[in-house]
Amino acid sequence: DTGVSQNPRHKITKRGQNVTFRCDPISEHNRLYWYRQTLGQGPEFLTYFQNEAQLEKSRLLSDRFSAERPKGSFSTLEIQRTEQGDSAMYLCASSYSLEETQYFGPGTRLLVL
Amino acid sequence: SQKIEQNSEALNIQEGKTATLTCNYTNYSPAYLQWYRQDPGRGPVFLLLIRENEKEKRKERLKVTFDTTLKQSLFHITASQPADSATYLCARISGGYNKLIFGAGTRLAVHP
Repeated sequence: DTGVSQNPRHKITKRGQNVTFRCDPISEHNRLYWYRQTLGQGPEFLTYFQNEAQLEKSRLLSDRFSAERPKGSFSTLEIQRTEQGDSAMYLCASSYSLEETQYFGPGTRLLVL
Repeated sequence: SQKIEQNSEALNIQEGKTATLTCNYTNYSPAYLQWYRQDPGRGPVFLLLIRENEKEKRKERLKVTFDTTLKQSLFHITASQPADSATYLCARISGGYNKLIFGAGTRLAVHP
């Protein structure tokens, strides 16, 4: 069990470009969450997957954001036409259905110039 | 709406003292509250979970309380060490899929 991993750890992009982040949850964890965290704030919920089904999306997730979890394993979060306001740490967390604890990855820090 | 409020000011204490962090929530009491530790540039690390029907929970030097009357949880670190310096986040679940609502966190600095 190597924990939740996220790639890349850092991403710098220019405004208007598309970016994609990847999350590999702990194996056999069927629940996967994406959160976004800005400086001085706690993580804010973005979206939730149970296996491959995306069951909940926050109003924070604009049309420019899309997430997938094919085959119920890893997940990707794509941001199209990035804006400076998208600069943040994007965190992925996973958990097992019968447990309440969520295990977080190290995050991907995005900077949009 | 459901909110978690934590003291946004940093807490500075001397090594060996007990650190006490406060978490207040609004609306109805959640089934449980969770506390996480976060170091700069890293993801949150789970520390403790306390359920609504538990008054107190301990783990090594950590103690958490849950007061549904005050709508408050207190997080204590006894015999604090400089290595305890970090931001501590309080979170409640929301909705059927256990998504977490976090407070802004309290930054703790333990000085030798």
